[in-house]
Amino acid sequence: QQPVQSPQAVILREGEDAVINCSSSKALYSVHWYRQKHGEAPVFLMILLKGGEQKGHDKISASFNEKKQQSSLYLTASQLSYSGTYFCGTEISNTGKLIFGQGTTLQVKP
Amino acid sequence: DTGVSQDPRHKITKRGQNVTFRCDPISEHNRLYWYRQTLGQGPEFLTYFQNEAQLEKSRLLSDRFSAERPKGSFSTLEIQRTEQGDSAMYLCASSPQGSQPQHFGDGTRLSIL
Repeated sequence: QQPVQSPQAVILREGEDAVINCSSSKALYSVHWYRQKHGEAPVFLMILLKGGEQKGHDKISASFNEKKQQSSLYLTASQLSYSGTYFCGTEISNTGKLIFGQGTTLQVKP
Repeated sequence: DTGVSQDPRHKITKRGQNVTFRCDPISEHNRLYWYRQTLGQGPEFLTYFQNEAQLEKSRLLSDRFSAERPKGSFSTLEIQRTEQGDSAMYLCASSPQGSQPQHFGDGTRLSIL
């Protein structure tokens, strides 16, 4: 079952914040976040394992609510380089097999 | 540090032909994954390997698709009797083990005439 991401698209000005959500109808073992720029391969951002932890580096962080089977990606003080499509990949059991959402397109304008 | 390498980058073929793609994972990565991505969609899981063993193949995948990973190093994905609907970007990723970051290659873009 494919996870649902929201919103589908976001347009920001530099310095603004954004939140991208990922919801699954199935119990999750982990959630992975990737960013993909046009014509390039997806690039790993972070993994959240079940346990409701929150992770972050630089101005990008994420949380995982195990009870709600939801994860959120937080981008603060956005930069032009944050532009791209963000995908969450959900893992149901400890196999590494990821089911990706449909993506959220983020555009950061000067 | 060599990343995941895929070959060819682009493949154009006529409907009905067979095609084979190659993926060289990051050395010492035991897990290797194949995904397919179409425009505006997230990567779709196809199959994955733990060393040379193929652990799972998507039920959505027709019998025309086959993948191998002999000796647990590089992997090949073959599509027989290609159809228009096979046009997509085929991505390969590798990781040390399951539930660890997957590093993607640049993909092979397949176009069916």
